[in-house]
Amino acid sequence: KAGVTQTPRYLIKTRGQQVTLSCSPISGHRSVSWYQQTPGQGLQFLFEYFSETQRNKGNFPGRFSGRQFSNSRSEMNVSTLELGDSALYLCASSSGLAYNEQFFGPGTRLTVL
Amino acid sequence: QKEVEQNSGPLSVPEGAIASLNCTYSDRGSQSFFWYRQYSGKSPELIMFIYSNGDKEDGRFTAQLNKASQYVSLLIRDSQPSDSATYLCAVLGGSQGNLIFGKGTKLSVKP
Repeated sequence: KAGVTQTPRYLIKTRGQQVTLSCSPISGHRSVSWYQQTPGQGLQFLFEYFSETQRNKGNFPGRFSGRQFSNSRSEMNVSTLELGDSALYLCASSSGLAYNEQFFGPGTRLTVL
Repeated sequence: QKEVEQNSGPLSVPEGAIASLNCTYSDRGSQSFFWYRQYSGKSPELIMFIYSNGDKEDGRFTAQLNKASQYVSLLIRDSQPSDSATYLCAVLGGSQGNLIFGKGTKLSVKP
């Protein structure tokens, strides 16, 4: 069974630009969660999509948004990039049911200059 | 605010010893608890999950949960240098899909 895939793996942007990251979950999984990982703050929850609907949202500004498609693939968009948005962005795939074990993709390393 | 606390380490143990990693959480309503291993430069890898009070064993790993004390731990028996990594404790929050992570404990296993 193929794992979680994320594209691109690395990205360099400048302040003020916007960026779109993509995540394809494990086949059959309907939930995709997005996390931001930085050395100072650790792993922080951004939002979760289940069956094309945002089910949960963390405490991030509105510049961070996402969506999910009917095939469960998800995209995350960050507008008006700031230097502090430099981080590893991880998506996690799960069935979205019951105890909800989550499996992470390899991540996208975003650097904002 | 719901929190998950871990000692940042580093925790250093000799090869063959038992490594004990600890985690406390603030939300009494939490139901599911996870341990992830993260090697440097890699993404977190799920190694254990536990839902019920008591112990759960999987190979060299044992997860222990005490909901009354809001405490979850991970024991690694016969530690190997390949176990050297950061171990992340995660708790499923009040809503499904919302994992709350501790900042991780860095484990170093010395040959």
